[in-house]
Amino acid sequence: EDKVVQSPLSLVVHEGDTVTLNCSYEVTNFRSLLWYKQEKKAPTFLFMLTSSGIEKKSGRLSSILDKKELFSILNITATQTGDSAIYLCASNSGYALNFGKGTSLLVTP
Amino acid sequence: DVKVTQSSRYLVKRTGEKVFLECVQDMDHENMFWYRQDPGLGLRLIYFSYDVKMKEKGDIPEGYSVSREKKERFSLILESASTNQTSMYLCASSWNRVYEQYFGPGTRLTVT
Repeated sequence: EDKVVQSPLSLVVHEGDTVTLNCSYEVTNFRSLLWYKQEKKAPTFLFMLTSSGIEKKSGRLSSILDKKELFSILNITATQTGDSAIYLCASNSGYALNFGKGTSLLVTP
Repeated sequence: DVKVTQSSRYLVKRTGEKVFLECVQDMDHENMFWYRQDPGLGLRLIYFSYDVKMKEKGDIPEGYSVSREKKERFSLILESASTNQTSMYLCASSWNRVYEQYFGPGTRLTVT
């Protein structure tokens, strides 16, 4: 059975800190790994990763995939209170997305 | 921009009622999905559809059915609502199975 595990489950940091969120996966027929941000509404798409070692970057957020060790990380530098959200990781085997339970990030002023 | 809309943001129904949740996307996407999201359990796939009139069961299809008569519209049906179906329901669409999914705003359903 496909499995996606995120860690930590929750995290509290101060504004300006850098955070690293982890996602490990066990997926048959792996196609891609996706990251979403969810505030008090629907998840919004951040990144899709298909190749090992190639960093995807958007502003202060970046992500990388390691297909050998079966994990991905999401980095957020110089955090702001607006980064407070649940971050979801999902694997795609070409069937449907399989989501982890998410990491709840709280950035305090 | 992709737009996925859902018919209601909040819905309250009684046990035993038939409930329809509607989802519409405007990007001509082939695939559409229904998830439910519960605290501690994350997002779980109920049903998905990869073409008009086609449907496949997800991980938790029991108690639900779906309908896709037009490409842009995907409906989730609770034949006889029960209290354990109280949840946030999220619809999503994607161009095909390997591309990212885009989510609607969600419907928070309460069954009393």
